[in-house]
Amino acid sequence: AQSVTQPDIHITVSEGASLELRCNYSYGATPYLFWYVQSPGQGLQLLLKYFSGDTLVQGIKGFEAEFKRSQSSFNLRKPSVHWSDAAEYFCAVGAAAGNKLTFGGGTRVLVKP
Amino acid sequence: DGGITQSPKYLFRKEGQNVTLSCEQNLNHDAMYWYRQDPGQGLRLIYYSQIVNDFQKGDIAEGYSVSREKKESFPLTVTSAQKNPTAFYLCGSRQVGTGELFFGEGSRLTVL
Repeated sequence: AQSVTQPDIHITVSEGASLELRCNYSYGATPYLFWYVQSPGQGLQLLLKYFSGDTLVQGIKGFEAEFKRSQSSFNLRKPSVHWSDAAEYFCAVGAAAGNKLTFGGGTRVLVKP
Repeated sequence: DGGITQSPKYLFRKEGQNVTLSCEQNLNHDAMYWYRQDPGQGLRLIYYSQIVNDFQKGDIAEGYSVSREKKESFPLTVTSAQKNPTAFYLCGSRQVGTGELFFGEGSRLTVL
């Protein structure tokens, strides 16, 4: 069975500091991996995705993520956080064949001025 | 603009009543999904459908029902059998083969 673990429930970071959100997955084949962001009371927006190829993936809003097969991880990073990055972030794993996408529990990011 | 429309955005119901949440997409996607979101639990899959007139149970289907009579529409009914229906419900769709799941803005159901 596929699963996703986001070990950090909350992270507080100062504006301008770097951010790294952890994601560990369990999947029986080569995974398709995703990071989504959610503002309060809103739907989810895709930040980036990994299907194959280069293991360092660039996304929107200055985010990037690195796929490490040996560690079953897909951590999200941003070099310099802006106040508007305060939100909840979800990692997800699945296949391209149209069946289910499994989400982690989410990490809520708070940005201090 | 293409997208996914969920309605209503907020819904209040008395215990024991069935409620239906609407989800419509104009992205021409084959697959559609319903997820439930509770604080600290991420998103949990209720039902999904990969083609018209066919759907599969997800991880927490008990107390819910769906239909897929049209490609564009995938309504979710929260029945009185659902023991704890108060939650935020998200509908999504994806084109098989691309992997990316697009979401609507969500519907918040509160059962009083």
